[in-house]
This record gives sequence, C-alpha cells and structure tokens, in this order.
Amino acid sequence: EVQLVESGGGLVQPGGSLRLSCAASGFTFSSYEMNWVRQAPGKGLEWVSYISSSGSTIYYADSVKGRFTISRDNAKNSLYLQMNSLRAEDTAVYYCARLYYDDFFDYWGQGTLVTVSS
Amino acid sequence: EIVMTQSPATLSVSPGERATLSCRASQSVSSNLAWYQQKPGQAPRLLIYGASTRATGIPARFSGSGSGTEFTLTISSLQSEDFAVYYCQQYNNWPPTFGGGTKVEIK
Repeated sequence: EVQLVESGGGLVQPGGSLRLSCAASGFTFSSYEMNWVRQAPGKGLEWVSYISSSGSTIYYADSVKGRFTISRDNAKNSLYLQMNSLRAEDTAVYYCARLYYDDFFDYWGQGTLVTVSS
Repeated sequence: EIVMTQSPATLSVSPGERATLSCRASQSVSSNLAWYQQKPGQAPRLLIYGASTRATGIPARFSGSGSGTEFTLTISSLQSEDFAVYYCQQYNNWPPTFGGGTKVEIK
C-alpha cells in the first residue's frame, strides 16, 4: 500500500524557517517524481515544487522561488521542503504528492499544517 | 500558465440525484485533465485522469468527459459519501494548475 506521511509543520514567525519531510513507503520511491502541493485555509490547491526521480531536475512556483528548496534522499525514501523567509501567505497545509509518470498526482499524504504568524 | 475555471462554485443536490460539474481551461489541454475529490480534513483523492479514465477503486457512478478546453465530471446518483469539494487539474503544460473547486452540498 502506497503511503506518504508528512511531518515538520508548525507555527513559525514571519521571516523564519521550517523543514518539512515526507516519508514514503509501499512503492519504489526512487522511480517516481515527487511534488509539494499546498492549500491555504479555506482555499484551493496550489502546486509548489517538483523534483525528478533522481533529483536532477527541480521546479518551483514563482510564489516560492528563491525561498523554498526541495530535495530528496532515495536511500531514505524521503522527500523534503526547506522553507526560508516565510511569509503570512505561506500559511497552508502542505501535501507531498506522487506524480504518475509526469502527469497527474496519484497519491497524496495527509498533509502538515504550516502557520506563519507573529 | 493555464488558468482552470470551475463552475458552479457550489452545487446543491439531493441524494440520488445527478450532479454535473464543469471545468474550463484557458487554452487547450487536450485530454490531460484530472479530477480530485476532497472531503473536510482529508487529502485530495484522484478520481479521474485522462479526462475520462476512472482511477483504481473509483465507483462507476463517477464519469468524466471532454477534451480541449471544456470538461465535465458527472456523478450519476449522489451518495452521502460523495458530498465533498471537487477539483480539476490540467497536466498538459507546466506548471500543473488546479481549478478553484466545486463544493457539492446536500440540498
């Protein structure tokens, strides 16, 4: 059974940093592209970042470019999102999501809440 | 980036009735469109991909149609567990983009 479990969310002050993790199991993690997708409270879904299966190709949404860094450790079956210079508008539930062969998101984690507030 | 527009924002339907949700793309996305269901406090769940292919385990009452810029998700006979928010997402062009969602509520 495919499982994605996020952790690392919490309350952080504006300008602060946080590192999210996503532990994957039930599939060959190193074979899949992975993403972070976020959802602000009461709002819709917003794609945040992508990383290829090997980690060699990375993309970011313009809203987070230069502040967030996606990475992965295939030996540990883990995906990460380092978030720096956090803003109030980054407040959201962050989901890790598996990409089905460059297409749609076929599995999602349960999400971890990041709240940016003083 | 491609803008996805869903309508209506809220759909009030009685159990057992048919629900029809619309999704429009700002430019053609061919058939590279997915639908997701999200219940309160839960992660989105993949329902449909390729505009019309049901994902594993999705009941036959869910069907998708359309291509190009106009798409429809139909729930043939709403069950209590179907009341949720539904999102469309295009994956024809990078970055992937989502519609704003349609909330299906009990009438």
